[in-house]
Amino acid sequence: DAKTTQPNSMESNEEEPVHLPCNHSTISGTDYIHWYRQLPSQGPEYVIHGLTSNVNNRMASLAIAEDRKSSTLILHRATLRDAAVYYCIPTQGGSEKLVFGKGMKLTVNP
Amino acid sequence: DGGITQSPKYLFRKEGQNVTLSCEQNLNHDAMYWYRQDPGQGLRLIYYSQIVNDFQKGDIAEGYSVSREKKESFPLTVTSAQKNPTAFYLCASSIIAGGTLTNEQFFGPGTRLTVL
Repeated sequence: DAKTTQPNSMESNEEEPVHLPCNHSTISGTDYIHWYRQLPSQGPEYVIHGLTSNVNNRMASLAIAEDRKSSTLILHRATLRDAAVYYCIPTQGGSEKLVFGKGMKLTVNP
Repeated sequence: DGGITQSPKYLFRKEGQNVTLSCEQNLNHDAMYWYRQDPGQGLRLIYYSQIVNDFQKGDIAEGYSVSREKKESFPLTVTSAQKNPTAFYLCASSIIAGGTLTNEQFFGPGTRLTVL
């Protein structure tokens, strides 16, 4: 499994963009990069995933470095509901395993 | 509404007792998973199942057992052999596309088990 490094925590202000970084320098060429988030006392929620190209969906954007050793999850306008622990998870396609590290706690200030 | 149901939300048991956690999904997903989460930690995979009547051990299967008699249901039994059973237990499901597991997993709300 590829190792990931995320900051322990970040703070942002409501309605401002926030960039959540992740380093995954040992990622293999076939690993997808998944992002999940977990609100307090709830199960994790899928956010977005990508392989090489940048990806956008209704929740967020994912920017993947050209060498794929890092990625950034972008929340375009943070809301209070975005306060959660965010997990960056490199995963081999078709693997049953999502390896959740400790993640990064995002605090959104009103 | 489609989703995953776990019950109960909170569960208390005495040490030495087996306890079964329920997980039901109406998403028509083929694969189902059980994870354990300890305070301040990430999730660890206990068991997973890709098809009815078949399941595989995850990273921390010791002290746990599962069954998959129906596609919709994947109950987890925490046995007395599990040394530290107090934890937050999460069930998830995903589709299988083209014979391959997809990594987009849908999670239930979790069951918080406390063994006294």
